[in-house]
Amino acid sequence: DIQMTQSPSSLSASVGDRVTITCRASQSISSYLTWYQQKPGKAPKLLISGASSLQSGVPSRFSGSGSGTDFTLAISSLQPEDFATYYCQQSYSTPLTFGGGTKVEI
Amino acid sequence: EVQLLESGGGLVQPGGSLGLSCAASGFSFSSYAMGWVRQAPGKGLEWVSTISGSGGSTYYADSVKGRFTISRDSSKNTLYLQMNTLRAEDTAVYFCAKAPIAARPNYFDYWGQGTLVTVSS
Repeated sequence: DIQMTQSPSSLSASVGDRVTITCRASQSISSYLTWYQQKPGKAPKLLISGASSLQSGVPSRFSGSGSGTDFTLAISSLQPEDFATYYCQQSYSTPLTFGGGTKVEI
Repeated sequence: EVQLLESGGGLVQPGGSLGLSCAASGFSFSSYAMGWVRQAPGKGLEWVSTISGSGGSTYYADSVKGRFTISRDSSKNTLYLQMNTLRAEDTAVYFCAKAPIAARPNYFDYWGQGTLVTVSS
C-alpha cells in the first residue's frame, strides 16, 4: 500500500498569511495526487486534482505542485473561510489512500 | 447540479448487518464510477470501496473485503453498500462519492453529506 504523509498535522496562521502544506508518498505516484478541504461536520470538497489542476470554482489563491513523491498545497493569502482541515489522496493504485490531514487554525 | 443523498445509517450491534443507499441525481449515473469513503469520529478519511460505471468491477479496502459489498442500480440511480459482520472499528460517517471517470478507482469530485454508522452493544 502507498502511504501518504502530510505535514504539518496542524498549523496556526492569520488572515493574509501564505500557508503551505506538504504531502509525501511512500513511492512514486506520478501526478495522481488530489487535495480536499473539509470543514467540521461537512463533506470533503475537491480543490485540486492531478497535483496542480484547480477545480472549477475554487479560488485562485489555492495552488498545487509536485510530482513523483513530494507535493505541496499552497494558499497564497489565507481567508477566514479557509480555516479547515486539508487532506491529500493518491489515486495511483488501490487501495486509494489519504494523508492524515492538516488542520489550519487561527 | 450533482446531488448525492445517503441513507440507511444507524446503530447496529457488533456482528450485525446494515445497508446504506446513496441516491444520485444531476449527472449520467452509469457513466461514472462511484465509491464510499468513511471517517471515524475525530479521525481522517479512509477509502472503503469503488465500483465502476458499468458495475462490472469492484474494489475494496482490505479492512472491509469479504464483509462489505458495493453495488449499483442504474435504473434507480442508486449506489449501495451492504455491510455484514460489523465491528466496533467500522463506526464512522460513511460518505458516498462520485468519481470523474467511469472505470478505474480515482479521486472523487462530488460527495454526499454522509450517514453515521455506529457499531455498539
